[in-house]
Amino acid sequence: GAVVSQHPSRVICKSGTSVKIECRSLDFQATTMFWYRQFPKKSLMLMATSNEGSKATYEQGVEKDKFLINHASLTLSTLTVTSAHPEDSSFYICSASGVRGAYEQYFGPGTRLTVT
Amino acid sequence: GQQLNQSPQSMFIQEGEDVSMNCTSSSIFNTWLWYKQDPGEGPVLLIALYKAGELTSNGRLTAQFGITRKDSFLNISASIPSDVGIYFCAGQLGETSGSRLTFGEGTQLTVNP
Repeated sequence: GAVVSQHPSRVICKSGTSVKIECRSLDFQATTMFWYRQFPKKSLMLMATSNEGSKATYEQGVEKDKFLINHASLTLSTLTVTSAHPEDSSFYICSASGVRGAYEQYFGPGTRLTVT
Repeated sequence: GQQLNQSPQSMFIQEGEDVSMNCTSSSIFNTWLWYKQDPGEGPVLLIALYKAGELTSNGRLTAQFGITRKDSFLNISASIPSDVGIYFCAGQLGETSGSRLTFGEGTQLTVNP
């Protein structure tokens, strides 16, 4: 149990375009989903926290208009990187919490975004 | 804000050796979690600790929640090549699904066959 998927696993896009990344909890209903960004050889950096049906809470320094988060259901959250630039290239990872009422976070496999 | 110091940053060991890594915090946490991350993958939860002093095992892995609630360690016994990866500790203060994690900087483990 506690499986989280992400799609796509890799995406290459041109500068100025937008990219949507999906995060799904496959075998449980996730009360809360989190979005992280990870730079090479670094730890995970929390970008935002989202609860189903509510607006996401963004961490300081994360532009909410650039990184749009939608959490439409208890099993799906999406992150849209709008008007992507090369500096947005990174590894984006989601996590989900709420398995059987517990609060551990289970992570997706990540999405490698490359902006050319 | 809260910070976690994780050590060592990297370890190079021979297959069969035991490994120990730890995390310390400037403030308390109510939950400690240990994750392993393989290259190009998301972190996988190894062990979750909920009570100060708790000692929990998962196969060859053993982790403890320090009694001060400001530290935790992870031991791996009889290491094997597939133990290679980055190990992260994470502290969680709240006890709800919306509680954020504070991560350590990771320990890169290399196991030589």
